[in-house]
Amino acid sequence: SQTIHQWPATLVQPVGSPLSLECTVEGTSNPNLYWYRQAAGRGLQLLFYSVGIGQISSEVPQNLSASRPQDRQFILSSKKLLLSDSGFYLCAWSTLGSTNEKLFFGSGTQLSVL
Amino acid sequence: ILNVEQSPQSLHVQEGDSTNFTCSFPSSNFYALHWYRWETAKSPEALFVMTLNGDEKKKGRISATLNTKEGYSYLYIKGSQPEDSATYLCAFMWGGNTGKLIFGQGTTLQVKP
Repeated sequence: SQTIHQWPATLVQPVGSPLSLECTVEGTSNPNLYWYRQAAGRGLQLLFYSVGIGQISSEVPQNLSASRPQDRQFILSSKKLLLSDSGFYLCAWSTLGSTNEKLFFGSGTQLSVL
Repeated sequence: ILNVEQSPQSLHVQEGDSTNFTCSFPSSNFYALHWYRWETAKSPEALFVMTLNGDEKKKGRISATLNTKEGYSYLYIKGSQPEDSATYLCAFMWGGNTGKLIFGQGTTLQVKP
């Protein structure tokens, strides 16, 4: 069966510090991978998605970047965090090829930038 | 700008009550409508993926309908139970099977025993 791992669960970082959040998927190959963020009082916003190794699409201009060094690994990074980067970050995966494909989410990372 | 609206924002009901929520989405370039349940301290889990106008889906006491021409979907819970307490998210996929979803802000349901 497929599983998705996301870490860390919580993170408190000072403004200007770097960030690295990691997500890995097991039990499937060539998944589509996504990073979503929920800022306070707002819905889930798609930040990045990837359909393959090294292929990253950014949905919104921001201080963050994403990378996919391996088929089932997705990393969210920042060189210098801003206060506005605070929020709850969710990694998710899905497979294309069917009109009924749903997203499977990780457990999330609560990031507080102080 | 593509926008997905959910109402109400929050709902408090008694155990045994039936309830329903609304999701409004753009009616153009429709591809799919997803419903997810997000319980506290857990990951969001998919309830339904709906693609055809007039679709009705059911999972236990929870059901959903879809009207793509007017751009809305209803989620119904019959005989609410405390374990139904969660935030219910709808998400709209447009323009093709890209996997990219636009989420509403959610409806938070609290069921009191």
